[in-house]
Amino acid sequence: DGGITQSPKYLFRKEGQNVTLSCEQNLNHDAMYWYRQDPGQGLRLIYYSQIVNDFQKGDIAEGYSVSREKKESFPLTVTSAQKNPTAFYLCASSITVYNEQFFGPGTRLTVL
Amino acid sequence: GQQLNQSPQSMFIQEGEDVSMNCTSSSIFNTWLWYKQDPGEGPVLLIALYKAGELTSNGRLTAQFGITRKDSFLNISASIPSDVGIYFCAGLTGYGGSQGNLIFGKGTKLSVKP
Repeated sequence: DGGITQSPKYLFRKEGQNVTLSCEQNLNHDAMYWYRQDPGQGLRLIYYSQIVNDFQKGDIAEGYSVSREKKESFPLTVTSAQKNPTAFYLCASSITVYNEQFFGPGTRLTVL
Repeated sequence: GQQLNQSPQSMFIQEGEDVSMNCTSSSIFNTWLWYKQDPGEGPVLLIALYKAGELTSNGRLTAQFGITRKDSFLNISASIPSDVGIYFCAGLTGYGGSQGNLIFGKGTKLSVKP
């Protein structure tokens, strides 16, 4: 069953803790992305990766970090430097950065 | 950065009605995409348009890639209750930058008329 998986669906953390969100795809896509969505808002790009061992900052990269050690995996770490981390986080992938993106089911992060 | 103006922001539908929404930009795009997002879920790709002037259908949904490459519209015919949700347009550019290659509209929220 091909697709994009994100885990967990819901995540709770205490303020000041780093937290890592998982994103895995078995579509053999080169490009992967992380977006943040706030209530009633559109999608804002955090980081994207065109290929393994490469990634670029998006519009709102501050307070976040990523790695791309494997083609199928693109984990996002929300650090304590992110001032307002509570949000819905979406991972996506595409064949290349010039192709349509497909999204995972999302992770809702709540920082208490 | 580049922007997409999506309208309307929200609309109410009655079952059986046709629905129209559109996206415009001052920039040219190579591909137009339409997504639907249900509450608490990730967006699902409905239709992809690759050529200026292209008209594509997916069941009751029809979308067109504007001839100027700066706009696109989505029509839903004979709406049903499960059509409610948020519809996003997105345009693919040929280059990256801090917004990446895919620029999103802010969405059109479809709700059922009370």
